[in-house]
Amino acid sequence: KAGVTQTPRYLIKTRGQQVTLSCSPISGHRSVSWYQQTPGQGLQFLFEYFSETQRNKGNFPGRFSGRQFSNSRSEMNVSTLELGDSALYLCASSLGSGHANTEAFFGQGTRLTVV
Amino acid sequence: GENVEQHPSTLSVQEGDSAVIKCTYSDSASNYFPWYKQELGKRPQLIIDIRSNVGEKKDQRIAVTLNKTAKHFSLHITETQPEDSAVYFCATGGGNKLTFGTGTQLKVEL
Repeated sequence: KAGVTQTPRYLIKTRGQQVTLSCSPISGHRSVSWYQQTPGQGLQFLFEYFSETQRNKGNFPGRFSGRQFSNSRSEMNVSTLELGDSALYLCASSLGSGHANTEAFFGQGTRLTVV
Repeated sequence: GENVEQHPSTLSVQEGDSAVIKCTYSDSASNYFPWYKQELGKRPQLIIDIRSNVGEKKDQRIAVTLNKTAKHFSLHITETQPEDSAVYFCATGGGNKLTFGTGTQLKVEL
């Protein structure tokens, strides 16, 4: 069974630009969550999608957005990039049935560097 | 919102010794408590988890205990090996949103 796949693995962008990251969950998983990992703030929850609907949202500005497609693949977008957005962006997939937590499996992440 | 505190931030043990990492949380509604191991440059990997209706769970050299009254849970690794060296994160969950602790850098020395 293929794991969670994130593309691209590495990205360098300039301040003010926008970026789109992609996540393909494990087959059969319907929930996709996104996290930002930085040395200073650790792992922080961005948002979670289930069946194409945003079900949970973290405390990030509106520049961070996401969506999920009918095949459960998800994208997240960051507009008007700032230097502080440099981070490892991780997505996690889980079965997500109902509202109970199920095991979450992480992708390798996308390393975003904003210069 | 939920707040998860994790201690210690670094832990150095001799090979064969035990390691214990502790976390406390604030939201009494939390019902899912996973632990992740992250090696340098790699993804976080789930190593064990426990749900609120269970007090203890063990998987070979790894065990997790949960005290819901005191709102804390702990990871216990016995007979540590060099390959256990990594950063360990505790987390709490509810509704497929995980709140992570700040991580513990575990170093197992030969």
